[in-house]
Amino acid sequence: DTAVSQTPKYLVTQMGNDKSIKCEQNLGHDTMYWYKQDSKKFLKIMFSYNNKELIINETVPNRFSPKSPDKAHLNLHINSLELGDSAVYFCASSRQPGLAGATNTGELFFGEGSRLTVL
Amino acid sequence: EDKVVQSPLSLVVHEGDTVTLNCSYEVTNFRSLLWYKQEKKAPTFLFMLTSSGIEKKSGRLSSILDKKELFSILNITATQTGDSAIYLCGSGGATNKLIFGTGTLLAVQP
Repeated sequence: DTAVSQTPKYLVTQMGNDKSIKCEQNLGHDTMYWYKQDSKKFLKIMFSYNNKELIINETVPNRFSPKSPDKAHLNLHINSLELGDSAVYFCASSRQPGLAGATNTGELFFGEGSRLTVL
Repeated sequence: EDKVVQSPLSLVVHEGDTVTLNCSYEVTNFRSLLWYKQEKKAPTFLFMLTSSGIEKKSGRLSSILDKKELFSILNITATQTGDSAIYLCGSGGATNKLIFGTGTLLAVQP
């Protein structure tokens, strides 16, 4: 029973194409995230949504557009793919946006990642 | 700008050894520091630390936070080959973003 699931797990595509990665969580969490992990294993936040509202938007090219149709889903669409977009993209969720508070543990639950390779 | 630095970047030990992984942070309005273990796929949660000097323990793993010196350590005693993984340290503050370090790649040899 997967808590945070991403599809596809692997994606190989040509430069210039447009692709999407989907993420769903069944934990009842309010907050979802997209992280990018590069070849050096550096995990960097890209976006965060809380109850379908964008709350974190890092310095990411506007070719990347997240969409949250409801609080259980956060999809990532990438236009005009470039070689440097090759990475593993992780979706994550947490109960609330705060990292530590009276009612949440601050823990992020990660999906298994989507490995994107741009040729 | 907030940042998290981990050391060493990589480490090779033999089964039975004890290892200490380091994480230093500079985070505005610090709230918490988290440790994750990443094997082949998703990072999995190990510990969350919010208070100085209180050790968190889970089996052979333990971690402690020093908010004065702005660092945390993760100790693994009696290492096993199954401990081989990337260990990620992340910290967050007022921005609600969890900022990760580059990770420490631990390889435990039989």
